[in-house]
Amino acid sequence: DVKVTQSSRYLVKRTGEKVFLECVQDMDHENMFWYRQDPGLGLRLIYFSYDVKMKEKGDIPEGYSVSREKKERFSLILESASTNQTSMYLCASSTIRQFFGNQPQHFGDGTRLSIL
Amino acid sequence: RKEVEQDPGPFNVPEGATVAFNCTYSNSASQSFFWYRQDCRKEPKLLMSVYSSGNEDGRFTAQLNRASQYISLLIRDSKLSDSATYLCVVNIQDMRFGAGTRLTVKP
Repeated sequence: DVKVTQSSRYLVKRTGEKVFLECVQDMDHENMFWYRQDPGLGLRLIYFSYDVKMKEKGDIPEGYSVSREKKERFSLILESASTNQTSMYLCASSTIRQFFGNQPQHFGDGTRLSIL
Repeated sequence: RKEVEQDPGPFNVPEGATVAFNCTYSNSASQSFFWYRQDCRKEPKLLMSVYSSGNEDGRFTAQLNRASQYISLLIRDSKLSDSATYLCVVNIQDMRFGAGTRLTVKP
C-alpha cells in the first residue's frame, strides 16, 4: 500500500512565524501535491510538483512556497504565517501510467494547523 | 463556474435506502474521473474510478456521461458505515476536486 506520511497531525504556531510542513511518500511517485481544506470550500490546490526540483503553482499559492529536493519528500512552507492560513493541510502523491496518464492520488493523514 | 460541482447535501437516508450523487464538470478535455470518500477529520480515500462504460463495485455503481459532462455515484442498500462525504474528482492536467456531498445513513 502507498504510504504518505505528514510530519504532524496537529500544529499550533504564531502569526509571523515561518512554518514547515513535511510530507514523505514511499512509492516512488513522480507527482506530489499540497492542498488545504476548509469547510464549504473543499480541497484547494496550493502547489504541486511533477519531479524533483520542479514546482507549479496551484489555485492559491499566495503566502506559500514549496521545496522538492528529493523525489520522496515535498515540503510546504508558510513564509510568514497568518491567521487566515489556519486550515487542514493535506499532502498527496500519485504516479503516471503510460497511456493512462495521472493515476488517483493517495493522501496523507493531514495536518491541522492553527495560527494564533 | 466551478470546474467540478456537486450537490453539497446533506443527504440523510435510512439504512437500506438507495442514494445517488451527481457531479458535473466544466472542462470537456477531462481525461479521467474518480470518486473519493472522506470520513470526518480524516483524509480522502479513493472509492472507485469511473469508466466510460460505467462500472460497479459491490453496492456502488459509477457512471460517466461525457456528452453531458456528468458523473454519478449510486449506493444501494446503504449501511451506517457509508456515512461520509463523497468527493467527485476530475483529472485534466491535475486533479480537480468537488466540494463533496455529505451523506448520513440513519438506523
